[in-house]
Order: sequence, then structure tokens, then C-alpha cells
Amino acid sequence: ETGVTQSPTHLIKTRGQQVTLRCSSQSGHNTVSWYQQALGQGPQFIFQYYREEENGRGNFPPRFSGLQFPNYSSELNVNALELDDSALYLCASSLFAASYNEQFFGPGTRLTVL
Amino acid sequence: GQQLNQSPQSMFIQEGEDVSMNCTSSSIFNTWLWYKQDPGEGPVLLIALYKAGELTSNGRLTAQFGITRKDSFLNISASIPSDVGIYFCAGYSGGSNYKLTFGKGTLLTVNP
Repeated sequence: ETGVTQSPTHLIKTRGQQVTLRCSSQSGHNTVSWYQQALGQGPQFIFQYYREEENGRGNFPPRFSGLQFPNYSSELNVNALELDDSALYLCASSLFAASYNEQFFGPGTRLTVL
Repeated sequence: GQQLNQSPQSMFIQEGEDVSMNCTSSSIFNTWLWYKQDPGEGPVLLIALYKAGELTSNGRLTAQFGITRKDSFLNISASIPSDVGIYFCAGYSGGSNYKLTFGKGTLLTVNP
């Protein structure tokens, strides 16, 4: 049984560019949540996908968008990158939407915006 | 964005000492969670709490769901060097948004 994996590990972009981050959920999990973790802060909920539909969203602008695929892997897309988007982006998978006791996090993608 | 009030921000203790940290919120939560995050990794769930007043242990870790549903506590007994890391509390208020709200974390350093 594989765990949650994310790619790439690190990424450097410039302001105004677009970025796509990827997440493969743990085997059997159909729910993926994305979080943004700025340096020295706790993770902030971006959104959650359940069976390919957005299932909940935090206080992030529309330039943060996502997709979930039939195999339950997921993408996070960020358009018009800003300097404040520099952060660790975490995805977490779970069997159900609110089964947080069975939610597992990936190692994250470190995004730097210059 | 909203974050829970977690304290202390950091702790530096000697191996063998007990540790206490807490988390408070202005809102009520139905679920409280405690995580540990090591450098370069995602958070790992330590304890999940589902009921006001609930006291749950996981080895040397004990956590409590406050009676007001607005706070939670985590205690670590007889600390060891591998307890070093950042500890986060998180709360879920229920409803259909499925938003998990995290605290800012407590950085724990254990001196051997």
C-alpha cells in the first residue's frame, strides 16, 4: 500500500507565472484536501475534492483551482503567482470527506515565487 | 486566514520532562486533532478527539477535548529526543465545507 506522494518536491517560479502541483492519494482513498503552509505557520485549508468534485473551500481566491481525476489523484493549479504564494503545499488523502482520523499527508511541494 | 491560538510558540526542555501545550478558539469545534510535523515532511496525526470532555492517550501522549468545545490540550510525558518537532492542533466544526483549521504550532526542542 503506497502512501501519499507529491510532485515536484521543489519548484521555483516568477511572479505572474502559473504552476501545477500534483498529488497521488493513498490507495483506496477517494478524498483529497490541499493546504498551504507558509513558513512558521500552520497549514491553511485551500479546498477538498471528493470523487472528482470540489467538496469544500477555504478563503483562497479563484486563481487557486484544482482537479481530481478518476484514479483520485489530484492537481492544484495557481495562476498569476504572487510573492506571498511562496509556501509548502501539502495534500492529504482520506477515505471519506470528514474522516480526519484516517487522513494522511504527503511530504509537500515547496514553491518559491521570485 | 483563521488560525487557532496555540501556546506556547516554542519550548526547550530537558529529556525526561513532561510537556503541556494547548489550543483555544473563539468558535466551537466538533473534532479536535493533534499532529506532529518533522522537517521536510507532512503532519502526522497523533490523537483525534470527538467528544467534549474526552481524554485520549496514545503511548506517552494524552490529549483532552475541552468541555466548552473551544479548547484542547496535549501532554507529553517523559520526553525523549525524538519528540523534537512542531506540534499542531487542528479543529473541524462540522458542516459541508470540510475545512480543517490549524494552529500556528508549538516548536518542541528536547535537550538530551
